[in-house]
Amino acid sequence: SQQGEEDPQALSIQEGENATMNCSYKTSINNLQWYRQNSGRGLVHLILIRSNEREKHSGRLRVTLDTSKKSSSLLITASRAADTASYFCATEDSWGKLQFGAGTQVVVTP
Amino acid sequence: DAGVIQSPRHEVTEMGQEVTLRCKPISGHDYLFWYRQTMMRGLELLIYFNNNVPIDDSGMPEDRFSAKMPNASFSTLKIQPSEPRDSAVYFCASTQTGGRTTEAFFGQGTRLTVV
Repeated sequence: SQQGEEDPQALSIQEGENATMNCSYKTSINNLQWYRQNSGRGLVHLILIRSNEREKHSGRLRVTLDTSKKSSSLLITASRAADTASYFCATEDSWGKLQFGAGTQVVVTP
Repeated sequence: DAGVIQSPRHEVTEMGQEVTLRCKPISGHDYLFWYRQTMMRGLELLIYFNNNVPIDDSGMPEDRFSAKMPNASFSTLKIQPSEPRDSAVYFCASTQTGGRTTEAFFGQGTRLTVV
């Protein structure tokens, strides 16, 4: 079974616009991570936010975490065509179990 | 380090045959995960190991699936007998210290087709 649910399932935007995707999860976590997957490739880690953190930035990425609502959001600012990919949230529990959501497919058109 | 290495990259087999997927994690990583990805079910965690010991295999779909990690540098996922519904991309990933401070590194995956 999957731990996370992501919203939206798909997102289509133009270059320069911001992309926001959300993730909800069910159980307590140690941290929440976001990954990116290009078609036919393995997943690549983007950013990690610990359960005691509320917001984190990395370049054009901004992640928020609300443990009371068991939800997180990923914002990609000033999107580029190269950002076209699927984005997944993943939760890690205290046993080291790492589970992924269903993913959001993002298409950025020039 | 060459990263997580999976073999084979592609496997086509006939229903009923045994399939063995292989994974070499990054040296020094103490967690290893096996995932299956399909359009219908997304990315499912099948089983994970810590220091070569299976911790949680609740995601293994049936007794036809088995996984081993005989040492810190090698793991296998075996399907016997294989069925068409096992067709998917299987990923292996490894992390250090359970991911508390570092991320999971994924292999390129094995695309399995059972006909």
